[in-house]
Amino acid sequence: EVQLVESGGGLVQPGRSLRLSCAASGFTFDDYAMHWVRQAPGKGLEWVSGISWNSGSIGYADSVKGRFTISRDNAKNSLYLQMNSLRAEDTALYYCAKAFFQSSTSCFDYWGQGTLVTVSS
Amino acid sequence: EIVLTQSPGTLSLSPGERATLSCRASQSVSSSYLAWYQQKPGQAPRLLIYGASSRATGIPDRFSGSGSGTDFTLTISRLEPEDFAVYYCQQYGSSPRGTFGQGTKVEIK
Repeated sequence: EVQLVESGGGLVQPGRSLRLSCAASGFTFDDYAMHWVRQAPGKGLEWVSGISWNSGSIGYADSVKGRFTISRDNAKNSLYLQMNSLRAEDTALYYCAKAFFQSSTSCFDYWGQGTLVTVSS
Repeated sequence: EIVLTQSPGTLSLSPGERATLSCRASQSVSSSYLAWYQQKPGQAPRLLIYGASSRATGIPDRFSGSGSGTDFTLTISRLEPEDFAVYYCQQYGSSPRGTFGQGTKVEIK
């Protein structure tokens, strides 16, 4: 059974940093791209960042480019999101999502339950 | 960057009725790399449709997707009580990216 378990969320002051983690199990982690998607309270889904299976291809939404860094450790079956210079508008539930296909172009077939990040003074 | 616009914002229908949801892209979505998701309150999104018209595993055949280029449609042939939810389209043709539409809420009339 595929499982994605996010952790690392919490309350943080504006301008500070936070590192999210996603522990994956139930599939061959290093075969698939992985993504972070966020959802602000009461709002829609926003793709944040994605990373290919070998970390050779990485993308970011314009809203987080230069502040967030995605990475993965295939030996640990883990995905990370380093979030720096956090802003109030980064407040959201952050989901880890698995690519459906092994190819570079893919939608997402499994999602974690999310970890909540609240940016407030 | 491709922008996806979903309409209507809210669809008020009764169980048993047909639901038609639209997703329009600001430019052509390559090779129909268009997906649809369902999200219920307090739950993560669930993949319904990929490649514009292929149903994901376990998705009932009352859900169907169609379209190409810039215009895509999700149709629910006969609404069941469990289908009342928010639906999002997503384009994934420019990897590793995956922009979403703003969502359509299907509510009970």
